[in-house]
Amino acid sequence: DVKVTQSSRYLVKRTGEKVFLECVQDMDHENMFWYRQDPGLGLRLIYFSYDVKMKEKGDIPEGYSVSREKKERFSLILESASTNQTSMYLCASSLSVPGATEAFFGQGTRLTVV
Amino acid sequence: AQSVTQLGSHVSVSEGALVLLRCNYSSSVPPYLFWYVQYPNQGLQLLLKYTSAATLVKGINGFEAEFKKSETSFHLTKPSAHMSDAAEYFCVVYDSWGKLQFGAGTQVVVTP
Repeated sequence: DVKVTQSSRYLVKRTGEKVFLECVQDMDHENMFWYRQDPGLGLRLIYFSYDVKMKEKGDIPEGYSVSREKKERFSLILESASTNQTSMYLCASSLSVPGATEAFFGQGTRLTVV
Repeated sequence: AQSVTQLGSHVSVSEGALVLLRCNYSSSVPPYLFWYVQYPNQGLQLLLKYTSAATLVKGINGFEAEFKKSETSFHLTKPSAHMSDAAEYFCVVYDSWGKLQFGAGTQVVVTP
């Protein structure tokens, strides 16, 4: 059974903390994505990576960074968490050929910054 | 750039009634289209995908979608709604860079 696993389902962090959200996939996919989901705004792309150590900014990269040191792992980093980063974060992975297969999603991490 | 538009952010249907969720895409080339479902506090799960092999695509849980190139549409239907169909549904297309473009989502409420 193919899987995208996010390290935490729920997180509560304090303002100003450095926060790491981890995502691991076991499908040998080249592409990995981080989205945030907010009511009324749908899913917005934060960053994506198409290969190890490669990354591209998405639509809302401000306040975030990413790391991809190994093909299977893609980390989202909040350098200094703020309350407006309270959200649901979703990781996904896919093959590099568009449409060759669907994207697979993790279960999501609900982050609350207090 | 490819994009998708979902008509209606909320849809309310009676149990046993037809479910119809509308999706239109903009694309200059044959698109790769998907419908995903998200149950409360869950990730996204694939319902079905258009692969160009057939215009009528059958998915899980009794859902199907029809690709109509002339109308640039990929509407999702289910003949008879069940209470367990209450969820949010997303129409998704790959853009030319391999990134997913999401529709805004349609929240489905099923009433007894």
